[in-house]
Amino acid sequence: KQEVTQIPAALSVPEGENLVLNCSFTDSAIYNLQWFRQDPGKGLTSLLLIQSSQREQTSGRLNASLDKSSGRSTLYIAASQPGDSATYLCAVTSGGSYIPTFGRGTSLIVHP
Amino acid sequence: GAGVSQTPSNKVTEKGKYVELRCDPISGHTALYWYRQSLGQGPEFLIYFQGTGAADDSGLPNDRFFAVRPEGSVSTLKIQRTERGDSAVYLCASSFSTDTQYFGPGTRLTVL
Repeated sequence: KQEVTQIPAALSVPEGENLVLNCSFTDSAIYNLQWFRQDPGKGLTSLLLIQSSQREQTSGRLNASLDKSSGRSTLYIAASQPGDSATYLCAVTSGGSYIPTFGRGTSLIVHP
Repeated sequence: GAGVSQTPSNKVTEKGKYVELRCDPISGHTALYWYRQSLGQGPEFLIYFQGTGAADDSGLPNDRFFAVRPEGSVSTLKIQRTERGDSAVYLCASSFSTDTQYFGPGTRLTVL
Protein backbone atom coordinates (compact mmCIF):
# COMPACT_ATOMS: atom_id res chain seq x y z
CA LYS A 1 0.00 0.00 0.00
CA GLN A 2 1.38 3.37 -1.03
CA GLU A 3 2.18 5.78 1.79
CA VAL A 4 2.96 9.44 1.20
CA THR A 5 4.74 11.63 3.74
CA GLN A 6 5.27 15.38 3.54
CA ILE A 7 7.88 17.27 5.49
CA PRO A 8 7.74 19.77 7.06
CA ALA A 9 4.14 19.80 8.29
CA ALA A 10 4.27 23.55 8.67
CA LEU A 11 6.58 26.32 7.54
CA SER A 12 6.66 30.06 8.22
CA VAL A 13 9.08 32.24 6.27
CA PRO A 14 9.62 35.90 5.41
CA GLU A 15 8.73 37.13 1.97
CA GLY A 16 11.40 36.64 -0.69
CA GLU A 17 12.85 33.37 0.55
CA ASN A 18 13.34 30.37 -1.71
CA LEU A 19 11.57 27.29 -0.33
CA VAL A 20 11.77 23.53 -0.66
CA LEU A 21 8.84 21.31 0.26
CA ASN A 22 9.42 17.58 0.46
CA CYS A 23 7.28 14.58 -0.44
CA SER A 24 8.32 10.95 -0.01
CA PHE A 25 6.52 7.78 -1.06
CA THR A 26 7.06 4.12 -0.25
CA ASP A 27 6.27 2.39 -3.56
CA SER A 28 8.45 3.61 -6.43
CA ALA A 29 6.25 1.96 -9.10
CA ILE A 30 4.30 5.12 -9.71
CA TYR A 31 2.27 6.37 -12.68
CA ASN A 32 2.52 10.08 -11.85
CA LEU A 33 2.93 12.56 -9.02
CA GLN A 34 0.96 15.75 -8.64
CA TRP A 35 1.41 18.82 -6.46
CA PHE A 36 -1.68 20.74 -5.35
CA ARG A 37 -2.36 23.94 -3.49
CA GLN A 38 -5.28 24.27 -1.07
CA ASP A 39 -6.45 27.57 0.36
CA PRO A 40 -8.42 27.55 3.64
CA GLY A 41 -11.97 26.31 3.12
CA LYS A 42 -11.37 25.71 -0.58
CA GLY A 43 -10.83 22.81 -2.93
CA LEU A 44 -7.50 21.80 -4.40
CA THR A 45 -5.79 23.55 -7.30
CA SER A 46 -3.38 21.54 -9.42
CA LEU A 47 0.08 23.12 -9.65
CA LEU A 48 2.28 20.60 -11.42
CA LEU A 49 1.94 17.04 -12.72
CA ILE A 50 5.02 14.90 -13.25
CA GLN A 51 4.69 11.68 -15.24
CA SER A 52 6.77 8.71 -14.12
CA SER A 53 9.05 9.11 -17.16
CA GLN A 54 9.83 12.74 -16.31
CA ARG A 55 12.27 14.16 -13.81
CA GLU A 56 10.88 17.65 -13.34
CA GLN A 57 8.24 20.17 -14.30
CA THR A 58 8.29 23.95 -14.08
CA SER A 59 5.59 26.59 -13.95
CA GLY A 60 6.56 30.17 -13.24
CA ARG A 61 8.25 30.33 -9.84
CA LEU A 62 7.48 26.68 -9.14
CA ASN A 63 9.68 23.72 -9.97
CA ALA A 64 8.90 20.13 -9.02
CA SER A 65 11.38 17.30 -9.29
CA LEU A 66 10.87 13.55 -9.13
CA ASP A 67 13.33 10.85 -8.12
CA LYS A 68 11.49 7.54 -8.33
CA SER A 69 14.41 5.41 -7.21
CA SER A 70 14.64 7.21 -3.89
CA GLY A 71 10.87 7.71 -3.59
CA ARG A 72 11.07 11.48 -3.37
CA SER A 73 9.73 14.65 -4.92
CA THR A 74 10.49 18.23 -4.05
CA LEU A 75 8.55 21.38 -4.79
CA TYR A 76 10.76 24.43 -5.08
CA ILE A 77 9.17 27.86 -4.71
CA ALA A 78 11.36 30.77 -5.76
CA ALA A 79 11.08 34.25 -4.27
CA SER A 80 8.12 33.44 -2.05
CA GLN A 81 5.26 35.94 -1.71
CA PRO A 82 2.49 36.34 0.88
CA GLY A 83 0.04 35.12 -1.77
CA ASP A 84 1.83 31.77 -1.72
CA SER A 85 0.48 31.13 1.77
CA ALA A 86 -1.60 27.93 1.57
CA THR A 87 -1.37 24.20 2.20
CA TYR A 88 0.61 22.28 -0.39
CA LEU A 89 -0.36 18.66 -1.01
CA CYS A 90 1.48 15.92 -2.84
CA ALA A 91 -0.48 13.07 -4.48
CA VAL A 92 1.03 9.89 -5.91
CA THR A 93 -0.78 7.62 -8.35
CA SER A 94 0.70 4.17 -8.33
CA GLY A 95 1.20 2.12 -11.46
CA GLY A 96 -1.82 -0.04 -12.27
CA SER A 97 -4.16 2.20 -10.30
CA TYR A 98 -5.97 5.41 -11.13
CA ILE A 99 -6.32 6.34 -7.49
CA PRO A 100 -3.98 8.97 -6.04
CA THR A 101 -2.72 8.73 -2.48
CA PHE A 102 -2.33 12.08 -0.79
CA GLY A 103 0.08 13.26 1.87
CA ARG A 104 -1.12 15.37 4.78
CA GLY A 105 0.30 18.51 3.28
CA THR A 106 2.68 21.29 4.26
CA SER A 107 1.04 24.42 5.66
CA LEU A 108 3.00 27.42 4.40
CA ILE A 109 2.83 30.97 5.72
CA VAL A 110 4.80 33.69 3.95
CA HIS A 111 4.79 36.87 5.99
CA PRO A 112 5.55 40.34 4.60
CA GLY B 1 -14.94 27.54 -18.84
CA ALA B 2 -16.88 26.32 -15.83
CA GLY B 3 -15.02 24.28 -13.27
CA VAL B 4 -16.23 21.48 -11.03
CA SER B 5 -19.16 22.56 -8.88
CA GLN B 6 -20.53 20.96 -5.73
CA THR B 7 -23.77 21.51 -3.92
CA PRO B 8 -24.56 22.27 -1.22
CA SER B 9 -21.46 24.08 0.01
CA ASN B 10 -22.48 23.35 3.59
CA LYS B 11 -24.80 20.74 5.01
CA VAL B 12 -25.78 20.36 8.65
CA THR B 13 -27.81 17.31 9.57
CA GLU B 14 -28.76 15.27 12.58
CA LYS B 15 -27.38 11.87 13.43
CA GLY B 16 -29.33 9.15 11.68
CA LYS B 17 -30.53 11.29 8.77
CA TYR B 18 -29.95 10.68 5.06
CA VAL B 19 -27.95 13.15 2.95
CA GLU B 20 -27.14 13.60 -0.72
CA LEU B 21 -24.15 15.53 -2.01
CA ARG B 22 -23.99 16.55 -5.65
CA CYS B 23 -21.06 17.01 -8.01
CA ASP B 24 -21.13 18.60 -11.47
CA PRO B 25 -17.87 17.77 -13.26
CA ILE B 26 -16.22 19.68 -16.06
CA SER B 27 -18.06 19.00 -19.32
CA GLY B 28 -16.47 16.14 -21.24
CA HIS B 29 -14.52 14.72 -18.32
CA THR B 30 -15.06 10.98 -18.23
CA ALA B 31 -13.42 10.31 -14.86
CA LEU B 32 -14.96 11.47 -11.59
CA TYR B 33 -13.61 10.97 -8.09
CA TRP B 34 -15.06 11.45 -4.61
CA TYR B 35 -12.80 12.11 -1.62
CA ARG B 36 -13.31 12.86 2.05
CA GLN B 37 -11.02 15.26 3.90
CA SER B 38 -10.82 15.65 7.64
CA LEU B 39 -9.13 18.58 9.35
CA GLY B 40 -5.35 18.44 9.01
CA GLN B 41 -5.43 15.46 6.68
CA GLY B 42 -5.04 14.96 2.97
CA PRO B 43 -8.03 13.86 0.89
CA GLU B 44 -8.99 10.23 1.38
CA PHE B 45 -10.24 8.37 -1.70
CA LEU B 46 -13.83 7.10 -1.64
CA ILE B 47 -14.91 6.11 -5.15
CA TYR B 48 -13.88 6.55 -8.79
CA PHE B 49 -16.18 6.55 -11.82
CA GLN B 50 -15.16 6.05 -15.41
CA GLY B 51 -18.22 7.04 -17.39
CA THR B 52 -21.36 5.74 -15.71
CA GLY B 53 -19.77 2.85 -13.87
CA ALA B 54 -17.94 2.77 -10.57
CA ALA B 55 -14.48 1.58 -11.60
CA ASP B 56 -13.24 1.45 -8.02
CA ASP B 57 -15.32 1.83 -4.87
CA SER B 58 -12.76 0.36 -2.49
CA GLY B 59 -12.56 3.58 -0.48
CA LEU B 60 -16.18 3.64 0.63
CA PRO B 61 -15.98 3.07 4.40
CA ASN B 62 -19.13 0.95 4.74
CA ASP B 63 -22.47 0.17 3.14
CA ARG B 64 -24.03 3.40 4.40
CA PHE B 65 -22.15 5.17 1.62
CA PHE B 66 -23.23 4.90 -2.00
CA ALA B 67 -22.62 6.96 -5.13
CA VAL B 68 -24.17 7.09 -8.57
CA ARG B 69 -23.43 8.69 -11.91
CA PRO B 70 -26.35 7.56 -14.08
CA GLU B 71 -25.63 9.55 -17.23
CA GLY B 72 -21.87 9.77 -16.98
CA SER B 73 -21.89 13.40 -15.92
CA VAL B 74 -23.40 14.56 -12.61
CA SER B 75 -22.70 12.34 -9.62
CA THR B 76 -24.46 12.06 -6.27
CA LEU B 77 -22.86 10.74 -3.09
CA LYS B 78 -25.46 9.33 -0.75
CA ILE B 79 -24.96 8.71 2.95
CA GLN B 80 -27.55 6.81 4.95
CA ARG B 81 -28.01 6.87 8.74
CA THR B 82 -25.35 9.55 9.16
CA GLU B 83 -23.02 9.37 12.13
CA ARG B 84 -21.00 12.11 13.81
CA GLY B 85 -17.84 10.52 12.42
CA ASP B 86 -19.07 11.25 8.89
CA SER B 87 -18.47 14.96 9.49
CA ALA B 88 -15.82 16.12 7.01
CA VAL B 89 -15.37 18.00 3.77
CA TYR B 90 -16.42 15.90 0.79
CA LEU B 91 -14.47 16.75 -2.35
CA CYS B 92 -15.22 15.86 -5.93
CA ALA B 93 -12.71 15.92 -8.78
CA SER B 94 -12.92 15.21 -12.49
CA SER B 95 -10.41 14.54 -15.21
CA PHE B 96 -10.37 13.82 -18.92
CA SER B 97 -8.15 10.81 -18.47
CA THR B 98 -6.11 9.61 -15.54
CA ASP B 99 -3.98 12.71 -15.41
CA THR B 100 -4.62 16.15 -13.97
CA GLN B 101 -7.57 16.18 -11.62
CA TYR B 102 -9.67 19.32 -11.21
CA PHE B 103 -11.30 19.70 -7.84
CA GLY B 104 -14.53 21.32 -6.78
CA PRO B 105 -14.78 23.57 -3.70
CA GLY B 106 -16.18 20.76 -1.56
CA THR B 107 -19.22 20.22 0.63
CA ARG B 108 -18.71 20.64 4.36
CA LEU B 109 -20.88 18.07 6.11
CA THR B 110 -21.60 18.45 9.81
CA VAL B 111 -23.50 15.71 11.61
CA LEU B 112 -24.86 16.83 14.98
